[in-house]
Amino acid sequence: DVVMTQSPLSLPVTLGQPASISCRSSQSLVYSDGNTYLNWFQQRPGQSPRRLIYKVSNRDSGVPDRFSGSGSGTDFTLKISRVEAEDVGVYYCMQGTHWPPTFGGGTKVEIK
Amino acid sequence: EVQLVESGGGLVQPGGSLRLSCAASGFTFSSYWMSWVRQAPGKGLEWVANIKQDGSEKYYVDSVKGRFTISRDNAKNSLYLQMNSLRAEDTAVYYCARERLCDYWGQGTLVTVSS
Repeated sequence: DVVMTQSPLSLPVTLGQPASISCRSSQSLVYSDGNTYLNWFQQRPGQSPRRLIYKVSNRDSGVPDRFSGSGSGTDFTLKISRVEAEDVGVYYCMQGTHWPPTFGGGTKVEIK
Repeated sequence: EVQLVESGGGLVQPGGSLRLSCAASGFTFSSYWMSWVRQAPGKGLEWVANIKQDGSEKYYVDSVKGRFTISRDNAKNSLYLQMNSLRAEDTAVYYCARERLCDYWGQGTLVTVSS
């Protein structure tokens, strides 16, 4: 199975400051159709996961533009340009290129 | 508005069975792959199974193969997960999600396997 490794495990951030989460895969996530199926999810405390980003850099409907995704091959990043209080939670990357789909271990974002 | 509502969770003894349901609304259910994803208490997310629009293709994570069966009823806009031979390590919140890339999630239903 493809192993997804996220860092850091915990990310204390000051309100209004930027945050960056890294996700690395054990194999390239480029699929035979040319797409890279790398998604990012947010899970706020006590809530279900919510998809933020699909295919590396596409924001889902309703997702604030302070969230952005980038990367290629095996190295990906989720950035929050200015952290707000509502951004507290755990963030997961997930690959859908190789079977079975696999998730990263999660990065907990908290306010300093 | 897309809505996914899971039900059927509860406490079951090791070796027992449980059937989870997911009621979908707000979209054309028969047009989408559907998935089950679980989250053990305090842990991360684990994809469990998914099923094609017409039910003709089904895929499972190795740890549940032969014990869990995913199915759907497009006439009832419903997704199911039949779980047999349950083990303690199956204890988790089970979410249904739309599509293989999980664009929408339900609120989850808790399954606890314990004697």
